[in-house]
Amino acid sequence: RKEVEQDPGPFNVPEGATVAFNCTYSNSASQSFFWYRQDCRKEPKLLMSVYSSGNEDGRFTAQLNRASQYISLLIRDSKLSDSATYLCVVTTNQAGTALIFGKGTTLSVSS
Amino acid sequence: DGGITQSPKYLFRKEGQNVTLSCEQNLNHDAMYWYRQDPGQGLRLIYYSQIVNDFQKGDIAEGYSVSREKKESFPLTVTSAQKNPTAFYLCASRGLGGRGTEAFFGQGTRLTVV
Repeated sequence: RKEVEQDPGPFNVPEGATVAFNCTYSNSASQSFFWYRQDCRKEPKLLMSVYSSGNEDGRFTAQLNRASQYISLLIRDSKLSDSATYLCVVTTNQAGTALIFGKGTTLSVSS
Repeated sequence: DGGITQSPKYLFRKEGQNVTLSCEQNLNHDAMYWYRQDPGQGLRLIYYSQIVNDFQKGDIAEGYSVSREKKESFPLTVTSAQKNPTAFYLCASRGLGGRGTEAFFGQGTRLTVV
């Protein structure tokens, strides 16, 4: 089983749609979780951290399910500008543990 | 401004030549990372370092070397032993400790073998 798995997509949705991405991780000791966004030929940028209680930032909602070892990202009212690849990132905060990236889920929002 | 800087943005290498990619951060971060990304693929870890003068191999370290002589700097050398070096190289840094310490990325270096 790969350490971090994502559905690669692509997800093709119309503007205004709600879309959800899931990510599963294999290391039960993982402590920190993030969603990054990567635009074509650019570096990844932090979209949001994922906390145990779940968190929301505008149209974006992230949730963590430790029992099932998955995190999710919900995007409401999709915009054309949301088109990008969304990367799930998992790590522990113990020294010496690297960031583990999923392969990313591609979202394409059309008008 | 605090941040992480990679240079050069584009790099061309001849067959059999070693090249070094620069990565500098002024965020006072302990950990630094090098990733490789191929077209349509995810990020694969090459090397990482959590402290000066110490570093660990990632999943694809063969054909690469690094050094961490200063906290701010983590250069990556792509050696002639790396048979397929054409890729997008990303450097990242993050603090260790505390809650949810996210990583910050440089703008990347596109390496092409000519």
